[in-house]
Amino acid sequence: DAGVIQSPRHEVTEMGQEVTLRCKPISGHDYLFWYRQTMMRGLELLIYFNNNVPIDDSGMPEDRFSAKMPNASFSTLKIQPSEPRDSAVYFCASSSGLAGKGETQYFGPGTRLLVL
Amino acid sequence: SQQGEEDPQALSIQEGENATMNCSYKTSINNLQWYRQNSGRGLVHLILIRSNEREKHSGRLRVTLDTSKKSSSLLITASRAADTASYFCATGGGMDSSYKLIFGSGTRLLVRP
Repeated sequence: DAGVIQSPRHEVTEMGQEVTLRCKPISGHDYLFWYRQTMMRGLELLIYFNNNVPIDDSGMPEDRFSAKMPNASFSTLKIQPSEPRDSAVYFCASSSGLAGKGETQYFGPGTRLLVL
Repeated sequence: SQQGEEDPQALSIQEGENATMNCSYKTSINNLQWYRQNSGRGLVHLILIRSNEREKHSGRLRVTLDTSKKSSSLLITASRAADTASYFCATGGGMDSSYKLIFGSGTRLLVRP
């Protein structure tokens, strides 16, 4: 398996523009997670899905952020409109079960977003 | 919100020395996992220890867990330059995290050749 795939790897955009980040989880994994990593706040969970259904989006910063998972092999994280404070590395991760039962998460390489 | 606090925030050692990183957490857990992140890359799972275990080994890694103190440590023995990375603890199965992992703030390890 190729692992978790994310695109683009780097994105530079101007404030106010729409940004769409994409993720393909590992085949067979029922859980998908979106994280944001910054120096100031560390690694934050934004939202996660189980069987394509959003379970907990309490980490999504505000209404400018939205995430979808139209099928088991694809998810998007959208920021509209983007702001400079959204600049961060965004990771997608997937797992085959619950963290509470000892399942590990497999991370993609991340998308480095810079909003000017 | 972050569950774990890691200590030290940064560590610099000579190749061949041992590196010890500590993690403290706040709520009860089912397991604790350690991940490594190389610069510019995603996180990679290293080792998992369950709440009923006190110590676990994997190659040059040794993890301990003290649930009474809500703390864990990761020891890397005979370090190599390739071990240079950030290391994160993550707790699973806490009060509000049956599905998710909650990551600590990380320790940046530099192994000097």
